[in-house]
Amino acid sequence: DTGVSQDPRHKITKRGQNVTFRCDPISEHNRLYWYRQTLGQGPEFLTYFQNEAQLEKSRLLSDRFSAERPKGSFSTLEIQRTEQGDSAMYLCASLRGQNYGSYTGELFFGEGSRLTVL
Amino acid sequence: AQSVTQPDIHITVSEGASLELRCNYSYGATPYLFWYVQSPGQGLQLLLKYFSGDTLVQGIKGFEAEFKRSQSSFNLRKPSVHWSDAAEYFCAVGAGSSGGSNYKLTFGKGTLLTVNP
Repeated sequence: DTGVSQDPRHKITKRGQNVTFRCDPISEHNRLYWYRQTLGQGPEFLTYFQNEAQLEKSRLLSDRFSAERPKGSFSTLEIQRTEQGDSAMYLCASLRGQNYGSYTGELFFGEGSRLTVL
Repeated sequence: AQSVTQPDIHITVSEGASLELRCNYSYGATPYLFWYVQSPGQGLQLLLKYFSGDTLVQGIKGFEAEFKRSQSSFNLRKPSVHWSDAAEYFCAVGAGSSGGSNYKLTFGKGTLLTVNP
């Protein structure tokens, strides 16, 4: 496993700007998850994909947030018109396994993309 | 809705001492339960998981956890802590209409472990 990679690792932006984060999962994992973690809290589920299909979105994901996984490989998370409340660590994870029979339940997390909105 | 409570925000132990981190969950069906560890500058790493069967599960790095349905608990233990165990520990429960098999996890707020030499 080469690991889950996320880019950029840290983004500082001004309120109202748009930002985009990229996640490259482990290549053979077809499920990809986005979580958000704020200081002093555990990660909170945002959305997940199976291949290119977005299967579920949390209510935390307002209309300003959009996630894509166009070819079932890497994924992007875009935040439009950022607000100071969006400041957080955005975590990506991929799930070991190819289908229901082979999923082991182990999520592999990237190191995260930290967003600071000024 | 599912939830996870980790009652201890911060725990300090001496190296070589035993450790128990508490986790209580709320979930209507049979839960999928996990413990993850997060070290500074590193991604979350799975320590162990419980889906069914033996209620005492072994994980990596010498950790174990015991599922107690009657207490809705899944406490993490280690008999002798090493300085390298200092990190933040998160308990999580698998949630979702498919009984957890979508692996959409609800995490607790975490317990920060400090290890004194």
